[in-house]
Amino acid sequence: AQSVTQPDIHITVSEGASLELRCNYSYGATPYLFWYVQSPGQGLQLLLKYFSGDTLVQGIKGFEAEFKRSQSSFNLRKPSVHWSDAAEYFCALLGYNNNDMRFGAGTRLTVKP
Amino acid sequence: GAVVSQHPSWVICKSGTSVKIECRSLDFQATTMFWYRQFPKQSLMLMATSNEGSKATYEQGVEKDKFLINHASLTLSTLTVTSAHPEDSSFYICSAREDSYNEQFFGPGTRLTVL
Repeated sequence: AQSVTQPDIHITVSEGASLELRCNYSYGATPYLFWYVQSPGQGLQLLLKYFSGDTLVQGIKGFEAEFKRSQSSFNLRKPSVHWSDAAEYFCALLGYNNNDMRFGAGTRLTVKP
Repeated sequence: GAVVSQHPSWVICKSGTSVKIECRSLDFQATTMFWYRQFPKQSLMLMATSNEGSKATYEQGVEKDKFLINHASLTLSTLTVTSAHPEDSSFYICSAREDSYNEQFFGPGTRLTVL
């Protein structure tokens, strides 16, 4: 069975500080992995995705994520957080059959001035 | 890029009425579309997979007679919440899979409030 775990429900960081949001997955093979951001009352915006190749993936808004097979992780990072980054972040896994996308529970990011 | 729209973006209805939500892929064809439900402060849960020209596949625990799905064309899937009740109030998000890509593109969501 495939699953995604986001261990941190809520994270607070100061503006300008670095950020790392954790994501762990369970899947029998190499999955397709995604990070989405959702502002209140809005839909999902894709930040970045990993299908294969280079394990360090660059995304929009200065985000990056690193796929680590040995740790079954796909953590999201940003070197300097902006107040506008405050939102809910979802890690997602797409199974091999391309139909079954599983989402983590989400991590709510609060940015302190 | 691939764009998916949903209509309406929000709807308020009385208990017992039916509500139809449309999901359209605007610039690509989607044989497969997906319907998700998101309760406040929770993650997205897949409700059903909509296949063009065939019956939808529902996830366990989702009532197919309550959540009617029709995928009549390669660019349109509809979700009808029949005899809606307050517990059906939620944020409904659709996605569409572009047939040549291993990715789903998400719509902006529909906020349903049942009074």
